[in-house]
Amino acid sequence: GAGVSQSPSNKVTEKGKDVELRCDPISGHTALYWYRQRLGQGLEFLIYFQGNSAPDKSGLPSDRFSAERTGESVSTLTIQRTQQEDSAVYLCASSSPTGAQDTQYFGPGTRLTVL
Amino acid sequence: DQQVKQNSPSLSVQEGRISILNCDYTNSMFDYFLWYKKYPAEGPTFLISISSIKDKNEDGRFTVFLNKSAKHLSLHIVPSQPGDSAVYFCAVRSYAGNNRKLIWGLGTSLAVNP
Repeated sequence: GAGVSQSPSNKVTEKGKDVELRCDPISGHTALYWYRQRLGQGLEFLIYFQGNSAPDKSGLPSDRFSAERTGESVSTLTIQRTQQEDSAVYLCASSSPTGAQDTQYFGPGTRLTVL
Repeated sequence: DQQVKQNSPSLSVQEGRISILNCDYTNSMFDYFLWYKKYPAEGPTFLISISSIKDKNEDGRFTVFLNKSAKHLSLHIVPSQPGDSAVYFCAVRSYAGNNRKLIWGLGTSLAVNP
């Protein structure tokens, strides 16, 4: 079956511009996560959606970052007025939490470069 | 302040030998531990996991060991194969309300030489 997909795969933008990153989770997965990975760093949690519950936005680094999810489908991560420090690979993961096991499946990521 | 530490940024082993990747964590409240493998330009791929009620989980060539008293996790790959060359991330689950977010180490780059 289809895995998690993300688009675009690469995005180069100028400082100050807005960008939108898209994630299509695995069908039926109720949980969706956004992470980012800066060069040489581990993955950094950004935001979490679970069903119709209010999202956990505790990892968003600033108010320039926002994300939406329509039901249990597509999610969009928006970064406004991009800065050079926003350059990173943005990874989306989805899961179907059942009991103790909750394996997150990742998309290929979007590599964002802010010039 | 890193809660999950992978102290070896890289590891090189010969094909057929054992690879041992290590991970230390700080919080005894973590309840679920995972290893992911990542190839360049791809997202992380789930490899194996273990819950805090166990001390060992095996899946083919991969075995994960958990030492709760030492807050230490390790991944053994035996025998190692060239296709195992990748970056391996240790991740732990932290419950914050209903959020099952993962906290990640910085990764260990494994090179398996033919």
